[in-house]
Amino acid sequence: GQNIDQPTEMTATEGAIVQINCTYQTSGFNGLFWYQQHAGEAPTFLSYNVLDGLEEKGRFSSFLSRSKGYSYLLLKELQMKDSASYLCAHAGTASKLTFGTGTRLQVTL
Amino acid sequence: DAGVIQSPRHEVTEMGQEVTLRCKPISGHNSLFWYRQTMMRGLELLIYFNNNVPIDDSGMPEDRFSAKMPNASFSTLKIQPSEPRDSAVYFCASGEEKTGMGQGPGETQYFGPGTRLLVL
Repeated sequence: GQNIDQPTEMTATEGAIVQINCTYQTSGFNGLFWYQQHAGEAPTFLSYNVLDGLEEKGRFSSFLSRSKGYSYLLLKELQMKDSASYLCAHAGTASKLTFGTGTRLQVTL
Repeated sequence: DAGVIQSPRHEVTEMGQEVTLRCKPISGHNSLFWYRQTMMRGLELLIYFNNNVPIDDSGMPEDRFSAKMPNASFSTLKIQPSEPRDSAVYFCASGEEKTGMGQGPGETQYFGPGTRLLVL
């Protein structure tokens, strides 16, 4: 089976840094995805990790440790528009993603 | 690029009625996915196709749900008869599975805007 855990909610201040953690227990591994979903909208792709380490893309970075079954998404220089849900998703095969329930991030002034 | 197109965007129907949701994937993508999202259960995969062939339908809740992909540019998800507990947002997504065997690196999936279904 597959189990993905991430915090339900987080709050952070504009300009700060926030780290959203995700742990997974699965059979099979073809990568770990992070998606952003604004309220009332579709999920959009943020990042993909298949090897251990940090992938940096602008203000967003994602880290993976396969041995620990652990990933995090790091958001720097937070902006109000970053208020959204962040979904961690595990690829058991190349095509099949299992999503966590998402972390709702609220950025405050 | 038009992205993934879904119709209708909103659907309100009465219990017992048939509901058909439509999806046009991104041109050139060979994988198509149907998801359902609710507050309680989050985003759940219902079924996915690769090269128009259903690969995994283990997420389809029951026989009332069916999905087809008659060609590379069109798919439908049908609920018959619909029930109030089917109320949710239904997303279609498409991707490009490079190996054809499901064993390569995870493919990025691109989501459509979703259909918001309310069954009364």
